[in-house]
Amino acid sequence: AAGVIQSPRHLIKEKRETATLKCYPIPRHDTVYWYQQGPGQDPQFLISFYEKMQSDKGSIPDRFSAQQFSDYHSELNMSSLELGDSALYFCASSLGLGQGLGNTIYFGEGSWLTVV
Amino acid sequence: QQPVQSPQAVILREGEDAVINCSSSKALYSVHWYRQKHGEAPVFLMILLKGGEQKGHDKISASFNEKKQQSSLYLTASQLSYSGTYFCGINSGGYQKVTFGTGTKLQVIP
Repeated sequence: AAGVIQSPRHLIKEKRETATLKCYPIPRHDTVYWYQQGPGQDPQFLISFYEKMQSDKGSIPDRFSAQQFSDYHSELNMSSLELGDSALYFCASSLGLGQGLGNTIYFGEGSWLTVV
Repeated sequence: QQPVQSPQAVILREGEDAVINCSSSKALYSVHWYRQKHGEAPVFLMILLKGGEQKGHDKISASFNEKKQQSSLYLTASQLSYSGTYFCGINSGGYQKVTFGTGTKLQVIP
């Protein structure tokens, strides 16, 4: 079965540079979530989109922005990168509101960002 | 508000059982359980929606108490492959995000 696809899998950037992560949700899933997981930490929610509109916002820095496109894929843009942004970034997808089954969330393999 | 998990860490010998608890200060719409191995994505185990619900597959099961404020994950006859960090995730309904708990690191040794 198709899963959540993330790219790139690994990324190395220098401080103050910009990075873009891409996420392709499971087909027919209309909700995308972004999580950030630092070493030894639990995943921290950043932002989510339902039907291309932002549905919830967590601890996403102002330097970061994201959007969901018409084909439901999403991109997370990170600017003015700092050393502390080094983490594993997960995208996840689910069927959104109205499905009546609870939104089971499926995660992608993650994108490792290293800021040097 | 982040749910609290206990214990923080546990070491089991193969074949032993374990219980991981997840508590919230308020009633929840649903609780999710995930297992994550180091450097990998969290893998969905199960979701519970109803107070008093119990469900499971194979030797892993979970329960959701009547007040929907606590959930427990039961691992029986543990296998080496059960090693990893277990997270509960709580959800406030609709398309809202899942907020992960503090995590329980479980290690199964031969």
